[in-house]
Amino acid sequence: SAVISQKPSRDICQRGTSLTIQCQVDSQVTMMFWYRQQPGQSLTLIATANQGSEATYESGFVIDKFPISRPNLTFSTLTVSNMSPEDSSIYLCSVGEETQYFGPGTRLLVL
Amino acid sequence: GQQLNQSPQSMFIQEGEDVSMNCTSSSIFNTWLWYKQDPGEGPVLLIALYKAGELTSNGRLTAQFGITRKDSFLNISASIPSDVGIYFCAGSRLSTGNQFYFGTGTSLTVIP
Repeated sequence: SAVISQKPSRDICQRGTSLTIQCQVDSQVTMMFWYRQQPGQSLTLIATANQGSEATYESGFVIDKFPISRPNLTFSTLTVSNMSPEDSSIYLCSVGEETQYFGPGTRLLVL
Repeated sequence: GQQLNQSPQSMFIQEGEDVSMNCTSSSIFNTWLWYKQDPGEGPVLLIALYKAGELTSNGRLTAQFGITRKDSFLNISASIPSDVGIYFCAGSRLSTGNQFYFGTGTSLTVIP
């Protein structure tokens, strides 16, 4: 399985600011995904990060709030824009097609 | 998005006991995955199932892909303290490509 790293591992941010989360994979992968896990909850897919084209967002998530970049087959970023306390969550990237492997997550607390 | 129903929501068991949990859906899935998540970590893949009726083991863990393709089961035998964590199921359908839907999670506590 691929080795996935995320930066930062955690952050505390003020409301109204933005945070960009990076996801790096040790091998080229076709499919990369971003998930949100709210406190004590399950995982919800935010979007599929497509290399060379715009990300595909799930219902309830929009590009203006969660812009995503995918410049190559090993790297992606997710930005959480204009943050509010409701954005406090764990943000996870994952890779894979028939199975999915997850990074360690980014723990975000918005004050 | 669709969410899978996972039960039980939480379990408190004695070390050495066996554990069973399941995941159900109203839709047919063609892939079932089981994950374990420790506090402060990302989910770790335990077992992947790709065929109805498939029974797959990983050490003390055994998972089955239900015959109806609408459910899956995970069993842990002879539990140990390091089994503590939250277990998630995930499923995908052919009609939605590589999108996985996640269960609500089962929190396992093992009492030494």
